[in-house]
Amino acid sequence: DSGVTQTPKHLITATGQRVTLRCSPRSGDLSVYWYQQSLDQGLQFLIQYYNGEERAKGNILERFSAQQFPDLHSELNLSSLELGDSALYFCASNDGGGKETQYFGPGTRLLVL
Amino acid sequence: DQQVKQNSPSLSVQEGRISILNCDYTNSMFDYFLWYKKYPAEGPTFLISISSIKDKNEDGRFTVFLNKSAKHLSLHIVPSQPGDSAVYFCAATDNYGQNFVFGPGTRLSVLP
Repeated sequence: DSGVTQTPKHLITATGQRVTLRCSPRSGDLSVYWYQQSLDQGLQFLIQYYNGEERAKGNILERFSAQQFPDLHSELNLSSLELGDSALYFCASNDGGGKETQYFGPGTRLLVL
Repeated sequence: DQQVKQNSPSLSVQEGRISILNCDYTNSMFDYFLWYKKYPAEGPTFLISISSIKDKNEDGRFTVFLNKSAKHLSLHIVPSQPGDSAVYFCAATDNYGQNFVFGPGTRLSVLP
């Protein structure tokens, strides 16, 4: 158990809808990362937050947004969902937001029908 | 364009033998490299890392080798055990740790 929790574990929704994925980092970690893993693909870095502020942005679509709250949990909002958004979404955390090890949650599996 | 490549989607090895997983990168700004292991229905877990100032890092049965001039790294597992069967991701980042790039993964099967 990495100490990173993600909810929900599974999510099934329809095209055009909006969903919110939630992540609670390990106790004491200030930085949260979001990744997308599509079928047979590697992990695509989406966005990083550090202590409530956006620190780095990867291949995140404009339809997607994220935030980190004062209690350090983070939410990833996916809107106007398309079939191709079906994927595993992972959250990871570490304390400094730098090169140190990231600890991954179990992921949220999103299926868009 | 894939900045981190793992050209072998899968690898099968006999228990007790050496497993060698390879990774190539294209971005010369990368200076820190990590290997993660992933079991089904779980998130990736950190295995071992190496800084660009080193060419080798060892942790128990796991050794990572870095060849900067070739932009190539490899993970050696000796001896391989059935519990090592998983997907292995190579990842790279720059000096600031703000841009993590993962490879597509290699599925290792260790046969008893």
